[in-house]
Amino acid sequence: GAVVSQHPSRVICKSGTSVKIECRSLDFQATTMFWYRQFPKQSLMLMATSNEGSKATYEQGVEKDKFLINHASLTLSTLTVTSAHPEDSSFYICSARDPTSAQETQYFGPGTRLLVL
Amino acid sequence: DAKTTQPNSMESNEEEPVHLPCNHSTISGTDYIHWYRQLPSQGPEYVIHGLTSNVNNRMASLAIAEDRKSSTLILHRATLRDAAVYYCILRDVQAGNMLTFGGGTRLMVKP
Repeated sequence: GAVVSQHPSRVICKSGTSVKIECRSLDFQATTMFWYRQFPKQSLMLMATSNEGSKATYEQGVEKDKFLINHASLTLSTLTVTSAHPEDSSFYICSARDPTSAQETQYFGPGTRLLVL
Repeated sequence: DAKTTQPNSMESNEEEPVHLPCNHSTISGTDYIHWYRQLPSQGPEYVIHGLTSNVNNRMASLAIAEDRKSSTLILHRATLRDAAVYYCILRDVQAGNMLTFGGGTRLMVKP
């Protein structure tokens, strides 16, 4: 299947700092990418949908000023957690939709584990 | 959104077949049935999807009931590496084609 990468795989930061997570589709161009968050022993929750060249669409309850999303190219989307706090500690997973595959299959990155101290 | 119901957990013995059920009684005509699995500390991995007919690929088989109100993911020979949370998800191609995750089934494979 198609490959989606994320960087970094894990990050530890101090409270109040900002953290940027990169998501790349390696072998296809993704007009649409998604960002999910997963807390321990819970399922994935969609945070936002990112469309190349336009503003992201955020799910209800997700602060767009806190979770900045940029999708500047067809293979790269970034999520910046601004002024991170301990409650933002979570597993962040990106996903990219392959427009050339059957039913536009969505492929997921390996995730980024964020720990805010 | 059409929802799915899956058992919270299942156990299997290594090298035996596993049948993971999913109920989706409110499925609409434009919903595709997708299965993903998530291994510990990893992102979800696409497994298989279908609309009406049964589907086979190198990872698994998907059996879809004639009325489409349920489906079963079949792993023909479970290995220890198949231990994961399996998610059955409906995607409506006419309503944004979104993937919304439920609780999934945690599959445990015993050696």
